[in-house]
Amino acid sequence: QQPVQSPQAVILREGEDAVINCSSSKALYSVHWYRQKHGEAPVFLMILLKGGEQKGHDKISASFNEKKQQSSLYLTASQLSYSGTYFCGTEIVGTYKYIFGTGTRLKVLA
Amino acid sequence: DTGVSQNPRHKITKRGQNVTFRCDPISEHNRLYWYRQTLGQGPEFLTYFQNEAQLEKSRLLSDRFSAERPKGSFSTLEIQRTEQGDSAMYLCASSPGQNQPQHFGDGTRLSIL
Repeated sequence: QQPVQSPQAVILREGEDAVINCSSSKALYSVHWYRQKHGEAPVFLMILLKGGEQKGHDKISASFNEKKQQSSLYLTASQLSYSGTYFCGTEIVGTYKYIFGTGTRLKVLA
Repeated sequence: DTGVSQNPRHKITKRGQNVTFRCDPISEHNRLYWYRQTLGQGPEFLTYFQNEAQLEKSRLLSDRFSAERPKGSFSTLEIQRTEQGDSAMYLCASSPGQNQPQHFGDGTRLSIL
């Protein structure tokens, strides 16, 4: 039931790009993305509400393919501050239960 | 916006003792969530309040766990007869509505001796 993220981990050099995927076996009506740095609480990045929706914030953007029940997070020209674990999240349809994906650990090296 | 506040930050207790954690959400947020997170894992849903009503509770939550949100303001999470497996970070989050960002507190780290 938990959305599966890929890759599980990725190491980048500063300035490189990365894509993190989130795939669900159940229908997704919205997808949220969070980043959690080691020893800190998760921090909200963005919400995608509609299939086909794309959003961007600074050099981080995301897309949502409702039919494929997938979302992708794009990090371009990565910075050291992008290091952390990224989670997609969603509310299970018909419930108030909120679940997070399996997580992707991203490390950016200087 | 003073953020979500959780107390205590750390709790060390002996197995079998009861513990209670407190969460003060952002004042205008009517939605409140409790999660449990262990090392290397993502937050795991425990329970959800909308105002003072507890509308969702994970089946993973045994009857040793109880949560309240009197008057729809702060919330408490109590664990009775703690076990080794209860050691984790307990996170609280609040949001102003459906499909709105969740704002997380810094969590309470529970260690069972």
